[in-house]
Amino acid sequence: KQEVTQIPAALSVPEGENLVLNCSFTDSAIYNLQWFRQDPGKGLTSLLLIQSSQREQTSGRLNASLDKSSGRSTLYIAASQPGDSATYLCAPASGSARQLTFGSGTQLTVLP
Amino acid sequence: GAVVSQHPSRVICKSGTSVKIECRSLDFQATTMFWYRQFPKQSLMLMATSNEGSKATYEQGVEKDKFLINHASLTLSTLTVTSAHPEDSSFYICSATRDSKNEQFFGPGTRLTVL
Repeated sequence: KQEVTQIPAALSVPEGENLVLNCSFTDSAIYNLQWFRQDPGKGLTSLLLIQSSQREQTSGRLNASLDKSSGRSTLYIAASQPGDSATYLCAPASGSARQLTFGSGTQLTVLP
Repeated sequence: GAVVSQHPSRVICKSGTSVKIECRSLDFQATTMFWYRQFPKQSLMLMATSNEGSKATYEQGVEKDKFLINHASLTLSTLTVTSAHPEDSSFYICSATRDSKNEQFFGPGTRLTVL
């Protein structure tokens, strides 16, 4: 059974800082991995999708890396802004239906 | 593109009644749809996976007779919470995939409160 751990659970940084969110998973037999953000009381917004054959993906100020063999992914946010404040969730896809397993998330607060 | 909607966004009902939640893919045909629930301060837990025209596959511990899922078309899946009780109060979120990349797109969620 896939288990996902995200570290840290919460993070507070001043605006402008670069930061790294960590995700680890126990079953390396994944099809892909998605990073999402969730604002309070809202659904999930997909940020990046990394296929199992890829090492990283970039979108604007976001860069996600994947080391499938070691069961790790990181999300790098450059030049953080207050609008980046949200909970960030990592979810590898595995199993016959390629279902996502979610970590508990990292709650990010960017202070103006 | 890849927009998923849910209706209603919020629902309050009395204990013992049934509630239906709709999930629609607005601009694509969804090969697979997923239903999740999320309790306060917790992460998402997969409830079931459904494909159009076939029975849903439920995760262990999820009562299929209580959480009825119908996936009647490639753009619509419904979750019916039957005989709802206060412990069913939660945030229900659906997602859909559209192609072989298997990227999941999520709806905005439905907040269910059972009194």
